[in-house]
Amino acid sequence: SQTIHQWPATLVQPVGSPLSLECTVEGTSNPNLYWYRQAAGRGLQLLFYSVGIGQISSEVPQNLSASRPQDRQFILSSKKLLLSDSGFYLCACPFGGAKLFFGSGTQLSVL
Amino acid sequence: AQSVAQPEDQVNVAEGNPLTVKCTYSVSGNPYLFWYVQYPNRGLQFLLKYITGDNLVKGSYGFEAEFNKSQTSFHLKKPSALVSDSALYFCAVRDRTGANNLFFGTGTRLTVIP
Repeated sequence: SQTIHQWPATLVQPVGSPLSLECTVEGTSNPNLYWYRQAAGRGLQLLFYSVGIGQISSEVPQNLSASRPQDRQFILSSKKLLLSDSGFYLCACPFGGAKLFFGSGTQLSVL
Repeated sequence: AQSVAQPEDQVNVAEGNPLTVKCTYSVSGNPYLFWYVQYPNRGLQFLLKYITGDNLVKGSYGFEAEFNKSQTSFHLKKPSALVSDSALYFCAVRDRTGANNLFFGTGTRLTVIP
């Protein structure tokens, strides 16, 4: 079945610490993958998307980076977190269709 | 460039009354349009989409939306609101080219008052 796994569900990190959020998908091959961020009281902002292994496109300049080491794995990272990195991070995949399916999200609090 | 506008941050409606959540879009060519709902601390759930065909699209939980090309709108509607419909609603658009990127509006918080 088509599934998006995201972890962890919640994360509290100090300013200046590194970050690694992982997303894996099942039930598809060579998918397009996306990282979105939802800041408190804000809409969804597309951060990165990937159309294949090693291919990353960034939508906005920021303190974050993404990598796609395997076909169905998408990782969001930071070397040093900022307070403004706090938010709800969502991984998404269209599974070959027009609509996006979303993972359950990671609530990141940077303190 | 693609963009979506949801002009209302908050919509309040009494239970049993009809509800409308507004969305307008800007995209080159014919759009794909979507509505998603988000419950507290949860990911987004798909409600409905417009791809082609009938301008009135029916989706999950009794929701529907009407595609209006001349007004570039895709308003979400429900004839009779339920308290359980209270959530954050997002409109999204993408064009028919590119990498399936969806561009979301800023969201509208719907509160249904018992």
